[in-house]
Amino acid sequence: NAGVMQNPRHLVRRRGQEARLRCSPMKGHSHVYWYRQLPEEGLKFMVYLQKENIIDESGMPKERFSAEFPKEGPSILRIQQVVRGDSAAYFCASSPRGIPYEQYFGPGTRLTVT
Amino acid sequence: AQTVTQSQPEMSVQEAETVTLSCTYDTSESDYYLFWYKQPPSRQMILVIRQEAYKQQNATENRFSVNFQKAAKSFSLKISDSQLGDAAMYFCAYSPHNTDKLIFGTGTRLQVFP
Repeated sequence: NAGVMQNPRHLVRRRGQEARLRCSPMKGHSHVYWYRQLPEEGLKFMVYLQKENIIDESGMPKERFSAEFPKEGPSILRIQQVVRGDSAAYFCASSPRGIPYEQYFGPGTRLTVT
Repeated sequence: AQTVTQSQPEMSVQEAETVTLSCTYDTSESDYYLFWYKQPPSRQMILVIRQEAYKQQNATENRFSVNFQKAAKSFSLKISDSQLGDAAMYFCAYSPHNTDKLIFGTGTRLQVFP
């Protein structure tokens, strides 16, 4: 059973461009969580999604950030008009149901904004 | 606000010795989960151990054990017989029972010397 897949592993964008981060959950998992890790900090919760629904987006910045988890395909975290402060590692986790202790993390995408 | 504090930015231990990493948290909830995650240089988040707050018995996983003091809101991690492969960042995390997000501390970098 493959683990949580994230791609790309590294993404470089210039200021003002868009960044799209993809997360494929483990087989059979229908719950996805996105976290952001700034340099030298712990992970910060961003958003929790089930298939086709956003359940909790309390950690998402109000502008430029959006997330989706369509019926088919991976979950996408989208950052429009990136700025230098968006440079971070973005982690996705998945769960068979919405219980925290069953979250399995992907390897992360490191976004660098130049 | 619910917060997690790791007051030791860095710790070191000699191979085969024992080390304890500290974690305190702040909450008004009575039912919650606590976790320790390991993040090696690969950045993959690996669950080390978890504790349900309603369980008085301290969790143990092989060489890893916790000292859970609910009244003091303390959750320390003890690593026995330390190995070189234990070198990593260690994050303490908290989650209330009725929510879906993990709240992380800022991490402790553990070095293991031969």
